[in-house]
Amino acid sequence: LAKTTQPISMDSYEGQEVNITCSHNNIATNDYITWYQQFPSQGPRFIIQGYKTKVTNEVASLFIPADRKSSTLSLPRVSLSDTAVYYCLVGDSNTDKLIFGTGTRLQVFP
Amino acid sequence: GAVVSQHPSWVICKSGTSVKIECRSLDFQATTMFWYRQFPKQSLMLMATSNEGSKATYEQGVEKDKFLINHASLTLSTLTVTSAHPEDSSFYICSARSWGARGGSGEQFFGPGTRLTVL
Repeated sequence: LAKTTQPISMDSYEGQEVNITCSHNNIATNDYITWYQQFPSQGPRFIIQGYKTKVTNEVASLFIPADRKSSTLSLPRVSLSDTAVYYCLVGDSNTDKLIFGTGTRLQVFP
Repeated sequence: GAVVSQHPSWVICKSGTSVKIECRSLDFQATTMFWYRQFPKQSLMLMATSNEGSKATYEQGVEKDKFLINHASLTLSTLTVTSAHPEDSSFYICSARSWGARGGSGEQFFGPGTRLTVL
């Protein structure tokens, strides 16, 4: 399973755009990139998933370069409620196993 | 999206007792569920893969006799912490994949977690 590397923590202010980059140098051909959000004492919540190029949904965008060795989660105009831990995971459709890395603890200030 | 529930949401027990945690997929069938544990300020650690109708697959370092997993139906997996001790106190989270939800390695839906405190 491909290992992921993310910054341990990030700080931002309300209204700013936040970009969290994840490195996954050993990503395999079958692997998808998925981002989850976790609040304290809750289970992780799916944010977005992609395979290549750009994916956008109602809450975030995911940018994946052609070599797929990294990805960037973009959160537009964050609010205080976006304070959470964000996990980047790389998964194999054949095994379904998701191995969590350290995650990025995002703190949003007023 | 699909919903995964856990019961109980929290439990306090005495050392030496066994505790059962249930994980249910409420609106979809899940042939495979996963169990994680999470200590404060740490990431989720995969404990085991629960397969419906067969034995669970445990990750390295996880005692299968300590953490009993049963996946008796397509919507229910249980984790029993046997002879619990204070060091087993943790946040236990299950997940299940809803087939056809998004494709690829897919979206796994996570339960809300169960806080276990062993006195």
